Amino acid sequence: SQTIHQWPATLVQPVGSPLSLECTVEGTSNPNLYWYRQAAGRGLQLLFYSVGIGQISSEVPQNLSASRPQDRQFILSSKKLLLSDSGFYLCAWTPLAGVHNEQFFGPGTRLTVL
Amino acid sequence: AQSVSQHNHHVILSEAASLELGCNYSYGGTVNLFWYVQYPGQHLQLLLKYFSGDPLVKGIKGFEAEFIKSKFSFNLRKPSVQWSDTAEYFCAAAGNKLTFGGGTRVLVKP
Repeated sequence: SQTIHQWPATLVQPVGSPLSLECTVEGTSNPNLYWYRQAAGRGLQLLFYSVGIGQISSEVPQNLSASRPQDRQFILSSKKLLLSDSGFYLCAWTPLAGVHNEQFFGPGTRLTVL
Repeated sequence: AQSVSQHNHHVILSEAASLELGCNYSYGGTVNLFWYVQYPGQHLQLLLKYFSGDPLVKGIKGFEAEFIKSKFSFNLRKPSVQWSDTAEYFCAAAGNKLTFGGGTRVLVKP
């Protein structure tokens, strides 16, 4: 069966420090991968999605970037964190292309920037 | 622009009460609709979905939702809630992209 992992579960970082959040999917090939930020009362905001290795689409301009170095690995990064980057980050995957399919979510990473 | 609105941010009710969570979307074309649930400490997971056909959709754990095209609505219902239904519920619409509502936190008191 397919599983999705996110690492780390929680992270506290100072302003201006770099960031690297990792998401890995097991049990499937060529998934579509997504990064969301969940803010209280504002639902989930799509940050990035990827349909294949090295293919990244950004939904909103921001201080973050994403990369997909391997088929089942999706990384969210920042060179210098801002206070406003604090939040709960969720990775998700779908087995097929297109937004009309069910997405499967990881456990999330709680990021606090101080 | 595509958007999804959930009318209630917080709902508190007692066990055995009926639950209805409102969801409205704005998109002029064909949409697929979803309700996701996030139980405390657990992953966000799919509760039910509507793609086409019968507008009354039944999901897991006794939940159902009704798609009313004329009202652009996809409200979630459960006739009798349990304490274990305490969770945050998200409505989502997939038109040209997948858009989530702001979520509704439901607290069921034993």
